[in-house]
Amino acid sequence: DAEITQSPRHKITETGRQVTLACHQTWNHNNMFWYRQDLGHGLRLIHYSYGVQDTNKGEVSDGYSVSRSNTEDLPLTLESAASSQTSVYFCASSFTRGINEQFFGPGTRLTVL
Amino acid sequence: AQKVTQAQTEISVVEKEDVTLDCVYETRDTTYYLFWYKQPPSGELVFLIRRNSFDEQNEISGRYSWNFQKSTSSFNFTITASQVVDSAVYFCALSEAGGQGGSEKLVFGKGMKLTVNP
Repeated sequence: DAEITQSPRHKITETGRQVTLACHQTWNHNNMFWYRQDLGHGLRLIHYSYGVQDTNKGEVSDGYSVSRSNTEDLPLTLESAASSQTSVYFCASSFTRGINEQFFGPGTRLTVL
Repeated sequence: AQKVTQAQTEISVVEKEDVTLDCVYETRDTTYYLFWYKQPPSGELVFLIRRNSFDEQNEISGRYSWNFQKSTSSFNFTITASQVVDSAVYFCALSEAGGQGGSEKLVFGKGMKLTVNP
């Protein structure tokens, strides 16, 4: 069955370290998204991509970067982790044509100490 | 700018009660899409419904129903005869059409935590 996976599911890191969260989908979706979920804020968009080599900044992109070298993967990198980036991160993907629901991965809980 | 407001942050009901989750949105576009997602205690996000701005028909799916009213910019969600398994955080979201022809980014409300007690 097609799916969207995230790894790791839990990570603890230290302030200043570079961290990369992986997202992999097997639906062959062109659209992929990264969100963070924080209490009181709901889900906020970090970065998104409409296809290979395409990346765009979302609402809360500072301190994060993404790259899209193939259809299946959109890794999210925290260049220098900060305690404010402690959060639950969700990756999502969707069909290209029309406005369709996004399918979400299981989430990655990141703690920055 | 797009905005989604879920004024209720938390609701607690007793099983079999009906409960309505409010969602009010703001957008300048005439073409847009509204969504509801459910996040159970296990943490995953589950898609419930998508509605486009040209379709104001209410929808019913089992115990779930949705009331879309463009005049009040609202897309409310009602659970009839609630059950313990309905306990979750519910998110309303908005997407504006356009861009590169694909699915545009979602703007989420802050979510509403529903607790259904036995």
